[in-house]
Amino acid sequence: SQQGEEDPQALSIQEGENATMNCSYKTSINNLQWYRQNSGRGLVHLILIRSNEREKHSGRLRVTLDTSKKSSSLLITASRAADTASYFCATENSGGSNYKLTFGKGTLLTVNP
Amino acid sequence: DVKVTQSSRYLVKRTGEKVFLECVQDMDHENMFWYRQDPGLGLRLIYFSYDVKMKEKGDIPEGYSVSREKKERFSLILESASTNQTSMYLCASSYPGTGRPGYTFGSGTRLTVV
Repeated sequence: SQQGEEDPQALSIQEGENATMNCSYKTSINNLQWYRQNSGRGLVHLILIRSNEREKHSGRLRVTLDTSKKSSSLLITASRAADTASYFCATENSGGSNYKLTFGKGTLLTVNP
Repeated sequence: DVKVTQSSRYLVKRTGEKVFLECVQDMDHENMFWYRQDPGLGLRLIYFSYDVKMKEKGDIPEGYSVSREKKERFSLILESASTNQTSMYLCASSYPGTGRPGYTFGSGTRLTVV
């Protein structure tokens, strides 16, 4: 079953602009993670934010988490053509015993040079 | 460089064949996972394993089985391949416990069943 739902499904921006993607989920979580997938390849882990954290930064990435709204956002600042990829949020649901992740359907980001 | 290696990038099999997809990781991870990815459906968990010889069904285990005889290797088996199993298959591994730093994915196997 799908937990995270990303919004928008697709996003097209110009190089240098900021890109914001959102993720909503339904149940209590231990943490939420964002992954990137280049076309036809495996996913790459970007950043993890725990349920007791509200904001986290990594380079040009900024992630926020609002557990009261069950939502997260990923901001990529000063985007580059190389950021073109699909981005997925994944939730590790609390109460489980094996800490597996449930992935959303992804946002396709296109950064035009 | 640590990695998860899937044995084939592209595979074409006939309906009814028994298909083996192999995944090997060199990070000494306890947990290993098999997902399939389809357009519009995202990633769906087929099976996962949290220890050698241990396995649990994911969300869509029907038509699949798995084998984990050694810690580093996790095999996905399609008992009798069908056209609706045409998909991208992704293997991943991770440490156990909450909040560990994410999954490491292989590059994927694109399977076509004809």
